[in-house]
Amino acid sequence: QKEVEQDPGPLSVPEGAIVSLNCTYSNSAFQYFMWYRQYSRKGPELLMYTYSSGNKEDGRFTAQVDKSSKYISLFIRDSQPSDSATYLCAMSANDYKLSFGAGTTVTVRA
Amino acid sequence: NAGVTQTPKFRVLKTGQSMTLLCAQDMNHEYMYWYRQDPGMGLRLIHYSVGEGTTAKGEVPDGYNVSRLKKQNFLLGLESAAPSQTSVYFCASSYEAGGLVDEQFFGPGTRLTVL
Repeated sequence: QKEVEQDPGPLSVPEGAIVSLNCTYSNSAFQYFMWYRQYSRKGPELLMYTYSSGNKEDGRFTAQVDKSSKYISLFIRDSQPSDSATYLCAMSANDYKLSFGAGTTVTVRA
Repeated sequence: NAGVTQTPKFRVLKTGQSMTLLCAQDMNHEYMYWYRQDPGMGLRLIHYSVGEGTTAKGEVPDGYNVSRLKKQNFLLGLESAAPSQTSVYFCASSYEAGGLVDEQFFGPGTRLTVL
């Protein structure tokens, strides 16, 4: 079983919809939780970064971490066609190595 | 400020051939990483380095070697390429953040096909 599970989708939504993405994990030592966005044929780039449990909001993006359930989520409000990408969750214990989910491919239809 | 660059961008090899992928960063980062990305598998760590002259194995190191002779460069070598090494390879780098986990900055990737 993988350490980080993420539904690969694909997910297709109309413009303006709320996109909901999530990952589950098995390693209780994970404390750092990130979401990376990867456009087609590009390298991933950091979108959101959360330490420990709780919520974090940045514009249209909200990241949630529930350590008790070993579950993290990313919500995208008022989705735009420019949000079409693959979203990768990533997490780490108290070191510099990241464990990635498989990535969810999202398409926002105009 | 170019960030993280990778050469080449594309390469086709025959089984048994060797090649070296070059990663360079101009952000003075201590840590550098090599990943491979395969469909449905996400990013998997091949090797990493915590400083000039140091390297360590990641999750999937077999068939690969690395070297970090200069702080800004991290080389990934395939001594005898196999079709199973067909993948997209990403290099990344990050700060040494005093024991905290910091953002990793990724290069644009190298698409490798082994026939």
